[in-house]
Amino acid sequence: DIQMTQSPSSLSASVGDRVTITCRASQGIRNDLGWYRQKPGKAPKRLIYAASTLQSGVPSRFSGSGSGTEFTLTISSLQPEDFATYYCLQHNSYPVTFGQGTKLEIE
Amino acid sequence: QVQLQQWGAGLLKPSETLSLTCAVYGESFSGYYWSWIRQPPGKGLEWIGEINHSGIANLKSSLKSRVTLSVDTSKNQFSLKLNSVTAADTGVYYCARREGGRPLDYWGQGTLVTVSS
Repeated sequence: DIQMTQSPSSLSASVGDRVTITCRASQGIRNDLGWYRQKPGKAPKRLIYAASTLQSGVPSRFSGSGSGTEFTLTISSLQPEDFATYYCLQHNSYPVTFGQGTKLEIE
Repeated sequence: QVQLQQWGAGLLKPSETLSLTCAVYGESFSGYYWSWIRQPPGKGLEWIGEINHSGIANLKSSLKSRVTLSVDTSKNQFSLKLNSVTAADTGVYYCARREGGRPLDYWGQGTLVTVSS
């Protein structure tokens, strides 16, 4: 199985801050990666697919980059609704695997 | 607008069978992969498996012996059965859609399943 290692596991920041979350794959996955935001009690919402393509309707403050084994999600200016948990997901090979999550909290 | 609506029993005893169904509205059933994901309380997401409209399934190997996925194309529904449940199977179960070459996009609302004697 491909292991997805996300870092950091938690992060404290303020509204307006720029934050970056990293996901590393245990083997190359091309750009077969998505990023999700999950608010408490809700299903995850896809933000990014193909590593860097912004999902329709998602604000442009979200961006993704990377290919192969290292990927990043950047939020350029945090908004109150962004304080949530973020997950990466690889779908290059079965089984589909998720990173362990990054909890973004208000500082 | 694509919507996934799921339902099933929320309280089970150990050794019973978990059974969930997900209905798809607003989109063709064919041409996609229909997935199940679960999330233990306070923990991360775990992919269980997926099935296409033809009934071809891919399952997580550690769950394969207990999981059955099925589709009912006449109703635009797909289902999950997980037998011999234990407390470790407690969590929120989600259904979701995956388009070929892209990760999961539309998700159901989630169903909390609790296994307790």
